[in-house]
Amino acid sequence: DGGITQSPKYLFRKEGQNVTLSCEQNLNHDAMYWYRQDPGQGLRLIYYSQIVNDFQKGDIAEGYSVSREKKESFPLTVTSAQKNPTAFYLCASSIVSLVEEKLFFGSGTQLSVL
Amino acid sequence: QKEVEQDPGPLSVPEGAIVSLNCTYSNSAFQYFMWYRQYSRKGPELLMYTYSSGNKEDGRFTAQVDKSSKYISLFIRDSQPSDSATYLCAMRDYGGSQGNLIFGKGTKLSVKP
Repeated sequence: DGGITQSPKYLFRKEGQNVTLSCEQNLNHDAMYWYRQDPGQGLRLIYYSQIVNDFQKGDIAEGYSVSREKKESFPLTVTSAQKNPTAFYLCASSIVSLVEEKLFFGSGTQLSVL
Repeated sequence: QKEVEQDPGPLSVPEGAIVSLNCTYSNSAFQYFMWYRQYSRKGPELLMYTYSSGNKEDGRFTAQVDKSSKYISLFIRDSQPSDSATYLCAMRDYGGSQGNLIFGKGTKLSVKP
């Protein structure tokens, strides 16, 4: 089945620790995104990538880093610089288009601080 | 003023009711309007996609866009308990780079049997 796989489903971070969230897609989409969702808040864009080896910061990129070495994969690292990392993280993908931006989402990763 | 405003609810209705969910926006350049449905602790899924003004119907769902009022709506007819979810509106303008999609905060809907 085509889709987006996020892992792990739940993740715990200790103080000063970097953690990496995995996102893999087999939809052959060029664009991939990372969003953060806090309770009662809309989705906020962290980073996005339209092509391999290139990515752009979104609205809340500070304290996060990404890489795009393969078309299928777009991992997100939450660094120790992100002081309030507890949130639900969503990865998405889409075709690259000036007119369409239909996002397909993964099931999310809940990150909590120990 | 935020770009997209959406009443967070919660909205509770009996099974079979007609549900109306709404968003207002301030950017007159928005051309593409979407509704996503998100079940608890899951990723959102695209429900409806419309371009510019007008109505679009898909089964029990109707999306309506009124660009003159900067107002979009999602109607659910004959609502079912399985429709209980959070509904997010999203919109963007024409062109520009990817990542321009603006989301509302979502309305939590509960349909009681």
